[in-house]
Amino acid sequence: EVQLVESGGGLVKPGGSLRLSCAVSGFTFSNAWMSWVRQAPGKGLEWVGRIKSKTDGGTTDYAAPVRGRFTISRDDSKNTLYLQMNNLKTEDTAVYYCVTQSSTWYKWWGQGTLVTVSS
Amino acid sequence: DIQMTQSPSSLSASVGDRVTITCRASQSISSYLNWYQQKPGKAPKLLIYTASSLESGVPSRFSGSGSGTDFTLTISSLQPEDFATYYCQQTYNTPPTFGQGTKVEIK
Repeated sequence: EVQLVESGGGLVKPGGSLRLSCAVSGFTFSNAWMSWVRQAPGKGLEWVGRIKSKTDGGTTDYAAPVRGRFTISRDDSKNTLYLQMNNLKTEDTAVYYCVTQSSTWYKWWGQGTLVTVSS
Repeated sequence: DIQMTQSPSSLSASVGDRVTITCRASQSISSYLNWYQQKPGKAPKLLIYTASSLESGVPSRFSGSGSGTDFTLTISSLQPEDFATYYCQQTYNTPPTFGQGTKVEIK
């Protein structure tokens, strides 16, 4: 059974930092392209960024609103995806989902972790 | 970035109704269009990929069509468990973008 379990969310002040983790099981994580997608309260889905598999270069791409502040990384030995979020803004408040990309679609989603940025 | 526009933003329908949701891309995206269903408090679930391919385990009352800029998600006979919000997504280029969502409510 495929499982993606996010952790690390919580309340943080504007300008603060937070690191999210996504522990994966049930498929070969090292071969997977992984993304983070977020959803602000009562709003739609917004892509945050992606990391390719190491065999495909391991490169990252980011959405414009988070570029330069957020960093996606992976530890294939631990089957874990990370999202380091720095200089957080109130508009970063959202549920953050880690997602597995299968070809050109997002097949498996975690349950999400809530990040609240507020003073 | 490619803009995805869904219509309607919400609709009310009865069990057994045929429901159609449309998604329009701001430029051609070939068939790189996916549909997701999201229920309150839950993660989105993949329904349809590459415009018309039904994800494994998804009921056959769901179908997708279209290519280029105009796409459709159809529920042939709405069931109680289908009341949810539906999102389209283009993965033709980066950044992948989602429509704003269509909320399907009980009439």
